[in-house]
Amino acid sequence: GNSVTQMEGPVTLSEEAFLTINCTYTATGYPSLFWYVQYPGEGLQLLLKATKADDKGSNKGFEATYRKETTSFHLEKGSVQVSDSAVYFCALSGMDSNYQLIWGAGTKLIIKP
Amino acid sequence: NAGVTQTPKFQVLKTGQSMTLQCAQDMNHEYMSWYRQDPGMGLRLIHYSVGAGITDQGEVPNGYNVSRSTTEDFPLRLLSAAPSQTSVYFCASRFDRSNTGELFFGEGSRLTVL
Repeated sequence: GNSVTQMEGPVTLSEEAFLTINCTYTATGYPSLFWYVQYPGEGLQLLLKATKADDKGSNKGFEATYRKETTSFHLEKGSVQVSDSAVYFCALSGMDSNYQLIWGAGTKLIIKP
Repeated sequence: NAGVTQTPKFQVLKTGQSMTLQCAQDMNHEYMSWYRQDPGMGLRLIHYSVGAGITDQGEVPNGYNVSRSTTEDFPLRLLSAAPSQTSVYFCASRFDRSNTGELFFGEGSRLTVL
């Protein structure tokens, strides 16, 4: 069945550091891929998405590229800020899961000033 | 600009009690869903609905009931609360059932069962 694997956290970085959060998936066909972010005390919100292979999603300085050959959708940001501290969830949606979202466990990101 | 509204935000129950978590959206979304969030486990789908009068089970439906009598409302009922149902619950909605649409989340309801 479908599954999503994210790197375990917490990930702790200094402000202005480069960020990568790894996400790999298992699915048949061509699922859509998502990154959601959850700030402290809030619900999740969509950060970016990609719906076909080689698509790049981007938002708020974050980027992720849909790599079918490596079944990956790694999240990157060139220079993180304290305000980026949050929990980041990778997810996929596809035919196998009846179009329900399959979620990774989440990666907590802590940015120190 | 309400979006998805959940109530209550916090609730403490005793084992065996019942309660209803309320969820309402004002975006005319077809699709609504309930998730629970537990540490280290991501989000797990409890129940979902693709339109008024239509509901279906998700990954962890046992111990929960839902109904969808209107497009706007999707309440989640705990029939006889158990400590294993201690969790944070999120309601989420989407314009339609497609797999590319954005899910909009409520702020969550933290439930503790003693």
